Amino acid sequence: AQKVTQAQTEISVVEKEDVTLDCVYETRDTTYYLFWYKQPPSGELVFLIRRNSFDEQNEISGRYSWNFQKSTSSFNFTITASQVVDSAVYFCALSKGGGTSYGKLTFGQGTILTVHP
Amino acid sequence: DAGVIQSPRHEVTEMGQEVTLRCKPISGHNSLFWYRQTMMRGLELLIYFNNNVPIDDSGMPEDRFSAKMPNASFSTLKIQPSEPRDSAVYFCASSPGLAGAADTQYFGPGTRLTVL
Repeated sequence: AQKVTQAQTEISVVEKEDVTLDCVYETRDTTYYLFWYKQPPSGELVFLIRRNSFDEQNEISGRYSWNFQKSTSSFNFTITASQVVDSAVYFCALSKGGGTSYGKLTFGQGTILTVHP
Repeated sequence: DAGVIQSPRHEVTEMGQEVTLRCKPISGHNSLFWYRQTMMRGLELLIYFNNNVPIDDSGMPEDRFSAKMPNASFSTLKIQPSEPRDSAVYFCASSPGLAGAADTQYFGPGTRLTVL
């Protein structure tokens, strides 16, 4: 069975601070995909990144960066110089890479990030 | 380009009534997913379709829930009869659905269902 754990239920920071959201996953598959989604107060789910299990390179997109470490089964997300608009719930998710039911996403419980001005 | 479209955005109904939620996936996408989000259980996959065929409905809570995808551009999720515990936000998502690939899923805005 697949499982995603986001141990941080809530994080509160002041604007311009860096913040890291943790994600630990469990899977028996050798091929899998990891995702991060953002859910702002308006409620929609916004795709941020998709990563496959064979690509451990860190990725940076503007103020966002992701650190994938297979050795610790972690896929952490860092926001540099946080802004109030970053306030949202962030979900980490896991999907099989092939076989049956390959499209199913298993979500973590989410981390509520509040950025104060 | 239009994203995933869901209707209605909000639905308030009374226990025992039938509720139908609608979804139009992104054009050209072959996979469609229905999720439910609650405070207690988080985001749960209810059912997903590939090329209009249900692939996995193991997440459908019980026989009161049914989903159809009569064509590539439309899907419905029906609850009959509805119960207060069905109150949740229901999301529809679609992905290109390439065989054997775990594509990115793009989500609709959700339908907030309240059953009184």
